Amino acid sequence: QSALTQPASVSGAPGQSITISCSGGSNDIGAYDHVSWYHQGPGKAPKLMIYEVNKRPSGVSNRFSGSKSGDTASLTISGLQPEDEADYYCCSYGGSSSFPFVFGSGTKVTVL
Amino acid sequence: QVRLVESGGDLVKPGGSLRLSCAASGFNFRDFYMSWVRLVPGKGLEWISYINRNGGTIYYADSVKGRFTLSRDNGKNLLFLQMNSLTVDDTALYYCATGGGYPYVFDDWGQGTLVTVSA
Repeated sequence: QSALTQPASVSGAPGQSITISCSGGSNDIGAYDHVSWYHQGPGKAPKLMIYEVNKRPSGVSNRFSGSKSGDTASLTISGLQPEDEADYYCCSYGGSSSFPFVFGSGTKVTVL
Repeated sequence: QVRLVESGGDLVKPGGSLRLSCAASGFNFRDFYMSWVRLVPGKGLEWISYINRNGGTIYYADSVKGRFTLSRDNGKNLLFLQMNSLTVDDTALYYCATGGGYPYVFDDWGQGTLVTVSA
């Protein structure tokens, strides 16, 4: 199963909003509402930011929001802050015992 | 506070073996599904395997099936990944994480342990 497709990089100025897309198919994003997003700072462990398309774990800023349309999920970061600069990965449940999970290729977010 | 500490990563030759461990604390380990996910240089995150609460159900990605074996010791709060027949494509930073079962999300992650496969 191929990785989900994300843009390699997205940038924005402090205070702006950016959106990261995550494109899959009818067997993963299009079939299930189990899409999650992870933030990975340099040398840090990944951190769960969004799950089940648009739910935020306790402690995650409401500047982060998720959505889905068809086979594509999106992560929006509003009010961009310097600490948001990191790699972001989407992940979808795939339903198959061989590939229950598929991750995106990752997006580097740069705060200008 | 959830704490996951991986160990066992090393430099190994192609065809070699390694056993990774993940020590868990700060939560009731036996109540959680557990997973391994790796960060492949230049490629991103790849799910490897997950195990249910009692170890009776284990799934593997096709890329490691038949070579890697996942197990857990609920009495010692430990998760293990036995890696055999390693290839250069297995070079990665290996993370253990809580989750894998419904709702199919990885809640907490360790800092990772580095596996380098090179001649």
